[in-house]
Amino acid sequence: GQNIDQPTEMTATEGAIVQINCTYQTSGFNGLFWYQQHAGEAPTFLSYNVLDGLEEKGRFSSFLSRSKGYSYLLLKELQMKDSASYLCAVMDSNYQLIWGAGTKLIIKP
Amino acid sequence: DVKVTQSSRYLVKRTGEKVFLECVQDMDHENMFWYRQDPGLGLRLIYFSYDVKMKEKGDIPEGYSVSREKKERFSLILESASTNQTSMYLCASSLFEIGGAVGANVLTFGAGSRLTVL
Repeated sequence: GQNIDQPTEMTATEGAIVQINCTYQTSGFNGLFWYQQHAGEAPTFLSYNVLDGLEEKGRFSSFLSRSKGYSYLLLKELQMKDSASYLCAVMDSNYQLIWGAGTKLIIKP
Repeated sequence: DVKVTQSSRYLVKRTGEKVFLECVQDMDHENMFWYRQDPGLGLRLIYFSYDVKMKEKGDIPEGYSVSREKKERFSLILESASTNQTSMYLCASSLFEIGGAVGANVLTFGAGSRLTVL
């Protein structure tokens, strides 16, 4: 079966760095997406990786290792507004998205 | 900005009622999707559509149907609501290109419709 694993909840301090991991087992691979979802709101796109390596976008970076079935989202200089759920999704060989359950990130002052 | 609008943010229905959830997008996207989101579970795809009048079953289509009569509108129908259909329903749209640019496969979501079935 296809599976995406990510931690259920993480806590970090304002101004710090946090890494949210995502491991996957899917039928084929056509890219990995990260979305951010604030409570009660729609998920919004953060990043996309299809090749191995690090993609940096401001305070957020996303890393992919296809051989390990592994990705992480790195958030630097954490702000209170980063408190949200972070969803990892993989596009499989049929171009269907497989979603993780999401990681709830709590930022403390 | 791409906008996906869901007609109702909160609905309360009784078991056995027929429920319509409407979704409209304004960016001429080919693809539209209905997901449900439940605590502790990933987004689960109910139905999707690649074109007008086209529909494909997702992972959990049982108890649901859809309608896409116009490109911009995708409706989710619960013919006879049951308590296990209490959930957050998310509509999304996208372009789609195999091997295309990243933006082509990014989903834009609506704000969600929280349905409670009593």
